[in-house]
Amino acid sequence: DAKTTQPPSMDCAEGRAANLPCNHSTISGNEYVYWYRQIHSQGPQYIIHGLKNNETNEMASLIITEDRKSSTLILPHATLRDTAVYYCIGGAQKLVFGQGTRLTINP
Amino acid sequence: DAGITQSPRHKVTETGTPVTLRCHQTENHRYMYWYRQDPGHGLRLIHYSYGVKDTDKGEVSDGYSVSRSKTEDFLLTLESATSSQTSVYFCAISSGISNQPQHFGDGTRLSIL
Repeated sequence: DAKTTQPPSMDCAEGRAANLPCNHSTISGNEYVYWYRQIHSQGPQYIIHGLKNNETNEMASLIITEDRKSSTLILPHATLRDTAVYYCIGGAQKLVFGQGTRLTINP
Repeated sequence: DAGITQSPRHKVTETGTPVTLRCHQTENHRYMYWYRQDPGHGLRLIHYSYGVKDTDKGEVSDGYSVSRSKTEDFLLTLESATSSQTSVYFCAISSGISNQPQHFGDGTRLSIL
């Protein structure tokens, strides 16, 4: 499973787009990039995943670079409820969670 | 939300006692996982199952055993609980099909005194 690197914390103003970066330079060709978030002590919530094409769903967009060494999760219009720890994970069945990025949405 | 129920949600027990945590799913998914989460460590995989009676170890399996006698239930047992096993335990499930993601339960907060 790929090792990922994320900034420990980020801030974003409410209503603005939140862009969360992730480096995964060791990801192999068949490993997907998954994004989860965890609010307080709840279970991690799945957000989105992708292999090499950009993806969008009702929660977020995922932009993966052409060389697949990094990706960006975009929350288009952040709200206070998006305050959470966001995890970027490269892998398949056995996910390896790092420390994630603590995103704080400010009013 | 995925149909995952963890029980109990909270438990306090003493060192040396056996403890069993249960994860129940209604999705008929093939894969089930147990993680623990501690401050400063993120989530770490304890054991996982890829079918009935098929299980394998994860990153931090020492001191834990698991069983899966039915598709819907995955049990995590601490044979003789220690204070180092005080943690929040999360169960996850996935279909195992085409890299579909794992979905997590709400967790069990376990305190070993």
